[in-house]
Amino acid sequence: QSVLTQPPSVSGAPGQRVTISCTGSNSNIGAGHDVHWYQQLPGIAPKLLIYGNNNRPSGVPDRFSGSKSGTSASLAITGLQAEDEADYYCQSYDSSLSGGIFGGGTTLTVL
Amino acid sequence: QVQLQQSGPGLVKPSQTLSLTCAISGDSVSSNSGTWNWIRQSPSRGLEWLGRTYYRSKWYNEYALSVKSRITINPDTSKNQFSLQLSSVTPEDTAVYYCASGHFGSGWGSWGQGTLVTVSS
Repeated sequence: QSVLTQPPSVSGAPGQRVTISCTGSNSNIGAGHDVHWYQQLPGIAPKLLIYGNNNRPSGVPDRFSGSKSGTSASLAITGLQAEDEADYYCQSYDSSLSGGIFGGGTTLTVL
Repeated sequence: QVQLQQSGPGLVKPSQTLSLTCAISGDSVSSNSGTWNWIRQSPSRGLEWLGRTYYRSKWYNEYALSVKSRITINPDTSKNQFSLQLSSVTPEDTAVYYCASGHFGSGWGSWGQGTLVTVSS
């Protein structure tokens, strides 16, 4: 069981907006540690999508955005496209575990 | 742009030591801003951070509690690479292993290609 909790799956039609939640605790997200988001296509290494809660690396479309509040964070994807079908993972740091932690991942299906 | 190239065997026998190497181009393992990480992924455990090494005037190593007694991550400045050793492996250690690099607070922006390591006799 992952330290960060994500919904197993979300779905949306092309053009719609979806959000993926990531719930932690006072020893990780609630302690002020940054949240990062990764996109993983089948058989490929994860790709950094959002870093430092709400920053996009160069080349990531502005359709992707992140936010953080209290012990939770969210990834929002607007203008959904077929190419967005992938697994999405949140990641942070846990003070009690003294190490990096991941969410269990969310599979996005574009209907 | 940092590129990471992994190498190492894909099959390890139970009780033996898993060894992987990650060669770095586009940055230095001795940089004062980078962190050099090992992460694994399996259907049963999902994505799991294993540990990291980094240099800030001296070398630091940090390991996940779940593998702390069995893991060693070493930098190799002469070859600009870093390695993973995981001892006393069991079938539970079967996973795709990734090396990844980043900076504090910036996530892991560069990843190796991944190595499927199977623990089996």
